[in-house]
Amino acid sequence: DIVLTQSPGTLSLSPGERATLSCRASQSVSSSYLAWYQQKPGQAPRLLIYGASTRATGIPDRFSGSGSGTDFTLTISRLEPEDFAVYYCQQYGSSPLWTFGQGTKVEIK
Amino acid sequence: EVQLVESGGGLVKPGGSLRLSCAASGFTLSSYNMNWVRQAPGKGLQWVSSIRSGSTYIYYADSVKGRFTISRDNAKNSLFLQLNSLRAEDTAVYYCARGTTMSDVWGQGTTVTVSS
Repeated sequence: DIVLTQSPGTLSLSPGERATLSCRASQSVSSSYLAWYQQKPGQAPRLLIYGASTRATGIPDRFSGSGSGTDFTLTISRLEPEDFAVYYCQQYGSSPLWTFGQGTKVEIK
Repeated sequence: EVQLVESGGGLVKPGGSLRLSCAASGFTLSSYNMNWVRQAPGKGLQWVSSIRSGSTYIYYADSVKGRFTISRDNAKNSLFLQLNSLRAEDTAVYYCARGTTMSDVWGQGTTVTVSS
């Protein structure tokens, strides 16, 4: 089974700062099958990035994804107040079909 | 508006059963593979099960295999998850989610609590 490890667990930043979130896979993952989600308290996850680097519909361009193989990154260029949330990476594989990282919480410093 | 709405959650005793439903609107369910994902209180997301558009292929997480059954009724634009032999560790918010390699549409979730 592929394990996705996200780091850091918590990121304390101020609005306007840059956020860099990491997702490391225990085995190589196809870039086509790596996605990022944002989740706020009491809400369902929202798709941000798919195919490692393609923004989903309606996602602002301050969100960007990169990486390949076992190392992937979500970058938020300038944090807006509404960006403080938990972020999950997810991969599509064989068994289990979907694997999620444990999440990175971006909190206001 | 594209939307998924779950229902059927509740409080159930260990060993009990529940049937979750997910109603799709604003799109044709039969064109999409569908999934269930759960989130235990204060925890991360865990994939539970997936079903292909024509119900030809069905997949389960090891933790629910043999206890949960996913199904769909494309004519009624609905997805289902039958939960049997429930355990305390099945307590979670259950989301239905559209997609194959990732999900662009999620429901708001329905809460399942397993407790005596």
